[in-house]
Amino acid sequence: NAGVTQTPKFQVLKTGQSMTLQCAQDMNHEYMSWYRQDPGMGLRLIHYSVGAGITDQGEVPNGYNVSRSTTEDFPLRLLSAAPSQTSVYFCASSSGTSGAPSYNEQFFGPGTRLTVL
Amino acid sequence: QQPVQSPQAVILREGEDAVINCSSSKALYSVHWYRQKHGEAPIFLMILLKGGEQKGHDKISASFNEKKQQSSLYLTASQLSYSGTYFCGTERWSNDYKLSFGAGTTVTVRA
Repeated sequence: NAGVTQTPKFQVLKTGQSMTLQCAQDMNHEYMSWYRQDPGMGLRLIHYSVGAGITDQGEVPNGYNVSRSTTEDFPLRLLSAAPSQTSVYFCASSSGTSGAPSYNEQFFGPGTRLTVL
Repeated sequence: QQPVQSPQAVILREGEDAVINCSSSKALYSVHWYRQKHGEAPIFLMILLKGGEQKGHDKISASFNEKKQQSSLYLTASQLSYSGTYFCGTERWSNDYKLSFGAGTTVTVRA
């Protein structure tokens, strides 16, 4: 199993550009989530999904869109990048009959380091 | 609302013990602990649930005081490999689907 994979590992964007951060997992996990990590702030939840076709907002959703058409993939879209979105982005997945992370560990991908100029 | 972790940083020598605390002003259902080494992804350590259930690695010790909405992670007989940043994540209720993480505690273990 590859676990949780993310592409790209590094990205530099100009203000106003759009892009999609890719996330895939091969563990058949129902729950997937996106976090951003900034110095001194810990991990902040952007969006999450409890299964294919079901997504919802986390703590800091503004400026980001997600969709979940398959169990395996959970891409994160930046529609118009801003310098405030410079961060490290982590995707995570978790199993569980209810799809919640309450009872099961989350497996994190290696992260994407994004810089917006 | 983010939980508050303390201390922000701790430096240990191999073999020493330390306690990392995580507290919330809101009632909690579960507390999750992760460790992250520089430049790497967070790795799961433990989940503590309201009611006393725990899931995690055998070598990790933690507690959850439901009345105080506080959890503590115990690093006993620390090893060099314990170095990293420790994060606690909290859930307000079952099937909340959202983990709110603290700012982290940086642990440095020196030989």
